[in-house]
Amino acid sequence: GQNIDQPTEMTATEGAIVQINCTYQTSGFNGLFWYQQHAGEAPTFLSYNVLDGLEEKGRFSSFLSRSKGYSYLLLKELQMKDSASYLCAVRPIGAGNMLTFGGGTRLMVKP
Amino acid sequence: NAGVTQTPKFQVLKTGQSMTLQCAQDMNHEYMSWYRQDPGMGLRLIHYSVGAGITDQGEVPNGYNVSRSTTEDFPLRLLSAAPSQTSVYFCASSYSTLAAYEQYFGPGTRLTVT
Repeated sequence: GQNIDQPTEMTATEGAIVQINCTYQTSGFNGLFWYQQHAGEAPTFLSYNVLDGLEEKGRFSSFLSRSKGYSYLLLKELQMKDSASYLCAVRPIGAGNMLTFGGGTRLMVKP
Repeated sequence: NAGVTQTPKFQVLKTGQSMTLQCAQDMNHEYMSWYRQDPGMGLRLIHYSVGAGITDQGEVPNGYNVSRSTTEDFPLRLLSAAPSQTSVYFCASSYSTLAAYEQYFGPGTRLTVT
């Protein structure tokens, strides 16, 4: 099975950098995903890692270490609109494109 | 493209009532799925479908039925609503290849069972 852990809440300052960690125990997966979800809205795709290493996409980067069961999402130059929940998810082997999600991290960006 | 649409946006049911949550997508995606989201528990997979005529159970399937008669539509039926089914329900779709990694979510249905 899969067990995915993330911090429940984080607070950061506008313009700063924040790292949101995700640890997992899984019997096997073929992708680790990060989604952003603003309050009252649907999740939207942010990033995807299948191999170890860093994937960069503008202000957002995601890192994966399979050997350590660890991923993080790095948000740079924080903006107020980045206040949202960030969901870590894995795609288990044999489950098609279905995802198993962690509980999400609610990020509050303050001026 | 409208993407993934869900109806209704809000619904209140009494315990024991049945209803169907509608989901449709116009992107010709093979994969469709239903998740429920409860506070502090993230999204949990209820049922999914890898193509028309094929469905399978996810993590929390009890109390829900699905069918997939067309590529576009994937309705979720609550057979006899219970207060424990109060939640936000999201439908999602994606292409079938593993290289097509992005799932597209509908706007959600907020269901309250009293």
